[in-house]
Amino acid sequence: AQTVTQSQPEMSVQEAETVTLSCTYDTSESDYYLFWYKQPPSRQMILVIRQEAYKQQNATENRFSVNFQKAAKSFSLKISDSQLGDAAMYFCAYRTYNQGGKLIFGQGTELSVKP
Amino acid sequence: ETGVTQTPRHLVMGMTNKKSLKCEQHLGHNAMYWYKQSAKKPLELMFVYNFKEQTENNSVPSRFSPECPNSSHLFLHLHTLQPEDSALYLCASSQGTTLQETQYFGPGTRLLVL
Repeated sequence: AQTVTQSQPEMSVQEAETVTLSCTYDTSESDYYLFWYKQPPSRQMILVIRQEAYKQQNATENRFSVNFQKAAKSFSLKISDSQLGDAAMYFCAYRTYNQGGKLIFGQGTELSVKP
Repeated sequence: ETGVTQTPRHLVMGMTNKKSLKCEQHLGHNAMYWYKQSAKKPLELMFVYNFKEQTENNSVPSRFSPECPNSSHLFLHLHTLQPEDSALYLCASSQGTTLQETQYFGPGTRLLVL
């Protein structure tokens, strides 16, 4: 079964510091997309960042960046200059043609930000 | 965020009740999805609709019955549910169903089955 693993159920970071959330996945496909979604306590899930497997360059969106290691099937999320509003559940997910385009999610990492 | 709305936000129902969850998207998208989010588990895809046609049923029990009358509205009809069906039900939409499409989520309906 194709899976996504987030090995850190909970993480904590000091405000203004940097934190990295880990994600590994298992697929035999060569072309796929990877996503990080954020779910704040209000429950509305929003896309943080995405990465196409064929692109070598790591995606960046303002304070959010990824470290995509295709050979290792690793897709970690780095949050720089953490803010109180970054506190949320973070879900890693991917999509492949083999899975009919379904988004396959990890279990999530709950991030808390300390003032 | 008002792109995808869901009603009701909270629902308590008995096992013999019949209720419906509603999702509406205001983004002009063609694809809509139902997900189930249980505590400590990854989100599980339930159904996918593309241009009002169901394209995915992820082995969901028949006590969950989806309906998509048009590309903007998606319903999930519930009947004779079990306590283990208690969860957060999330609706999402996307422009299409290709790999790179971003899915936009609603706030969810928190369902409790007694």
